[in-house]
Order: sequence, then C-alpha cells, then structure tokens
Amino acid sequence: NAGVMQNPRHLVRRRGQEARLRCSPMKGHSHVYWYRQLPEEGLKFMVYLQKENIIDESGMPKERFSAEFPKEGPSILRIQQVVRGDSAAYFCASSPWRGLNTEAFFGQGTRLTVV
Amino acid sequence: TQLLEQSPQFLSIQEGENLTVYCNSSSVFSSLQWYRQEPGEGPVLLVTVVTGGEVKKLKRLTFQFGDARKDSSLHITAAQPGDTGLYLCAGDIQGAQKLVFGQGTRLTINP
Repeated sequence: NAGVMQNPRHLVRRRGQEARLRCSPMKGHSHVYWYRQLPEEGLKFMVYLQKENIIDESGMPKERFSAEFPKEGPSILRIQQVVRGDSAAYFCASSPWRGLNTEAFFGQGTRLTVV
Repeated sequence: TQLLEQSPQFLSIQEGENLTVYCNSSSVFSSLQWYRQEPGEGPVLLVTVVTGGEVKKLKRLTFQFGDARKDSSLHITAAQPGDTGLYLCAGDIQGAQKLVFGQGTRLTINP
C-alpha cells in the first residue's frame, strides 16, 4: 500500500518559469492538503482540496499560485512566474475523510529552488 | 501570529537525560497530533490525542493533551541519539478542517 507520493522530489526553476508539483494521495484518500515549509520553520497551510473541489484556500497567495485535484490523476500545485521567495519545501498530505480527528499522512515533499 | 507555540525551539541534551516539549495555544482543538520530521523527509505521525486530559505512551515517549484541549506536551525519557529530529505539534481547530502546525522543536541528543 503505497503512501503519499510526491514528484518531483527536487525541482529547480529559473525566475519567471512555472513550477508544477504533483501529489498522488494514498489509495482510498479523497482529501488532499498542501503545506509549505521554509528552512528552520514549521509547516504553513496553503490549500485543502477534495476531488474536483477547493474547500479552503485561505493559505494560498492571491497571485501566481493555484491548485487542483481532478477526478482522475494527482493533485497539482502550480506556481507561475516563480520568484526566489518561492524556494521552499512543499508537502502534500492526504486523508480518507474530512472532519474531526482526521489523521493526515504526508509525502516526502518537493524541494523547489528558484535560481 | 502563531496559533500554536512550541517551546523550546531548540534543545540539545546528553543521551540518557529526560526532556519535555510543550505546545500551547489560546484556541481549543478537536484533536492534536505530534509529528517527527527527519531532514529531507516529510513529517511522520507519532500520535493523535483527542480527549482532554488524555495521556498516550509510545515506548519512551509520553504525550499528554491538556484538560481544556488547548495545549499538549511530549515527554521523552532516557533520550537516545536516535530521537534527534524536528518535532512538530499540529492541531485541528474546532470548526476548521485543516491542521495548523507549530514552528517545531529541533531536538539534538548528544552521545
């Protein structure tokens, strides 16, 4: 039973390019969360999605960032026109259902470096 | 504003010593989770506490949830170098459906 799979593990982009980060949740999980982690810091919530729906995007920057979780395929976090400040580790987590006491399982993350 | 405050942020002790890490908030949590994160890896869930006053043990680790469900502690007995890592608490705030993380405690156990 594979865990949460994220790819790529490492991504290098030049300023102004687009970054696409993929997350395949655990089998049977229909809820996905994206978090960003800067060095020496905790994880900051970005967005919560169910299949084909964005439930909570209160942590997403207003511009350049978008996320989707289509009916088929992985969840995608897309960053357009990347800047140096976007360099961070991006983690996705999945859970089987929403609500109280939900345990989320994390992927290994994608480390984005903008040069 | 940090919803969950962890203390200390850094802790370096000798093998065999005991330690406690705290996670505090002014908010009430439906549940609270503790994760451990190794360098270059994602957080790995250690435990979930749900009931106020609940105590859970995982070998040498003891987790406690405050009676009011606003705080939690992690106590490690006889720390070993293998306990070294970043420990994160995360809370599921009542009414929300996302985990809010503390900034983490970076623990180093010296042989």
